[in-house]
Amino acid sequence: EVQLVESGGGLVQPGRSLRLSCAASGFIFDDYGMYWVRQAPGKGLEWVSGISWNSGSIDYADSVKGRFTISRDNAKNSLFLQMNSLRAEDTALYYCAKGRGSSLTWDMDVWGQGTTVTVSS
Amino acid sequence: DIQMTQSPSTLSASVGDRVTITCRASQSITNLLAWYQQKPGKAPKLLIYQVSNLESGVPSRFSGSGSGTEFTLTISSLQPDDYATYYCQQYNSMGTFGQGTKLEIK
Repeated sequence: EVQLVESGGGLVQPGRSLRLSCAASGFIFDDYGMYWVRQAPGKGLEWVSGISWNSGSIDYADSVKGRFTISRDNAKNSLFLQMNSLRAEDTALYYCAKGRGSSLTWDMDVWGQGTTVTVSS
Repeated sequence: DIQMTQSPSTLSASVGDRVTITCRASQSITNLLAWYQQKPGKAPKLLIYQVSNLESGVPSRFSGSGSGTEFTLTISSLQPDDYATYYCQQYNSMGTFGQGTKLEIK
């Protein structure tokens, strides 16, 4: 069974950093692109970042560019999101999602249950 | 950036009804469109990809159609399990989502 389990969320002060992790199982991790998508409380879905199978292609939403860094460790079947200079508007449930293909195509077929990030003083 | 607009934002319907949700793109996205279903407290679930391809395990009462900039998700006969929020997503350029359509019990 394909499974994605996010961790690392929590309450953090504005301007501080947080690192999210996503542990993948049930599929060949390094065959697929991976993504982070977030959902602010009571709001819709917003794509955050994506990374191709070999980390050769990476992209970010304008709202996080320069502050967030996506990475992956294929040997450990893990996806990461380093979030720096956090703002109140980054408060959201962050989902890890598996792509349908290996490159950065932005179509996602399996989602984790999410980890909550709250940015507040 | 490509913008996605769903309509309606909220839809009230009864069990057995035929339901249609529309999604419009600000520019052509060819056939690179997906539909997701999200229930409260749960992660989104992929229903349809590439406009009309049903994801494995999704009931056949769900269908998708359209091309270019206008797309629809149709539920042929609404079931109790279908009450949820539905999102379209274009993946022609990045992965912009529509704002969602909440399907409520009438």
